[in-house]
Amino acid sequence: AQTVTQSQPEMSVQEAETVTLSCTYDTSESDYYLFWYKQPPSRQMILVIRQEAYKQQNATENRFSVNFQKAAKSFSLKISDSQLGDAAMYFCAYRSHTSGTYKYIFGTGTRLKVLA
Amino acid sequence: GAVVSQHPSWVICKSGTSVKIECRSLDFQATTMFWYRQFPKQSLMLMATSNEGSKATYEQGVEKDKFLINHASLTLSTLTVTSAHPEDSSFYICSARPAGQINQPQHFGDGTRLSIL
Repeated sequence: AQTVTQSQPEMSVQEAETVTLSCTYDTSESDYYLFWYKQPPSRQMILVIRQEAYKQQNATENRFSVNFQKAAKSFSLKISDSQLGDAAMYFCAYRSHTSGTYKYIFGTGTRLKVLA
Repeated sequence: GAVVSQHPSWVICKSGTSVKIECRSLDFQATTMFWYRQFPKQSLMLMATSNEGSKATYEQGVEKDKFLINHASLTLSTLTVTSAHPEDSSFYICSARPAGQINQPQHFGDGTRLSIL
């Protein structure tokens, strides 16, 4: 069975600085998707970025980028130029690419605080 | 963008009553929807996978008779918490996967806060 681990329960970053959130996972599959979701106090789940395992190039979305290390099964999220609105819970998620298996497996989350 | 509407957003009811939560995909069809439960300061735990026109697939440890799921159309799935008790109080979130688009991510509803007195 697949597992997702986020070892940082809480992180803090100064506004305008850069922070990296860690995520590791365990799987025997070779093809899968990885996601980072943001959950602000409103509790809405917002997709931040996603990565297909077969792509070697790291995904980027504006200030958000990932460091995907497939062999190490690591998928960290880097937030550059942090803003107050980035404060939220961040969840890493794994999804198999196996046909018919589309469910997500979430990590335990990292609470990000942005200091003004 | 793809929108998933969840209703109600907050419900308070007495112990022993049944509560129905709706999850609708507003601008796309969803053959598969998912129901999650989230306790305070914890992660999302998948309860069941809802498949249009067939029975839901429940995760281990989730009581099928307690949490009834119906996915009668391509745009609507419902979760009914039967004979709810205080321990059922939680935040319930649904998500939907666009039909025929296996590479697309799930789209989440805004969640339902359920409080059982």
